[in-house]
Amino acid sequence: SQQGEEDPQALSIQEGENATMNCSYKTSINNLQWYRQNSGRGLVHLILIRSNEREKHSGRLRVTLDTSKKSSSLLITASRAADTASYFCATDAQINDMRFGAGTRLTVKP
Amino acid sequence: EPEVTQTPSHQVTQMGQEVILRCVPISNHLYFYWYRQILGQKVEFLVSFYNNEISEKSEIFDDQFSVERPDGSNFTLKIRSTKLEDSAMYFCASSASWTGFNEKLFFGSGTQLSVL
Repeated sequence: SQQGEEDPQALSIQEGENATMNCSYKTSINNLQWYRQNSGRGLVHLILIRSNEREKHSGRLRVTLDTSKKSSSLLITASRAADTASYFCATDAQINDMRFGAGTRLTVKP
Repeated sequence: EPEVTQTPSHQVTQMGQEVILRCVPISNHLYFYWYRQILGQKVEFLVSFYNNEISEKSEIFDDQFSVERPDGSNFTLKIRSTKLEDSAMYFCASSASWTGFNEKLFFGSGTQLSVL
């Protein structure tokens, strides 16, 4: 089934460093979205990149999309302890079945 | 900011019992979803719903599951005869339009279902 797969599974960095997470998917997509989940909470939408876009920025977030490699990356610059969370990419090949990967668990140490 | 609300936050049930998980989507949204997440694992798509019909469902969403929009505000997930492996956090989500049309999902805080 169509879904994103994040890499690495876990990432631990110091505050102020950049964090890069990658996502791979299997088939053609309409768009790719990144979400964040604080422990035990619901997912919160971060950023959406359309299939015809290659890069998008939102504050400290930068997302790239390479449809030829079926991959995306999420970069968080100048990380903060409050960025500690799990990050998921999601894609849908059909029109209404957004599928998520297993996520990257990011820990930012103060 | 408008939000998706889910009740209850925790539900404990005995194996074989029926449970109904409730959600109130964002009021002007027309597209509704259920996801589940077993502790520490991936967020799994169960079903999407629009215009009183299921639009997509996953292989997880078998005959034991059903969804309903009983009135103008609630959206429910029913599990007919719960199994131990149904223990998970269940998330409801809604969107203003199809996610394929570049719409984002708004998630509730989830219902933690524990089947004993």
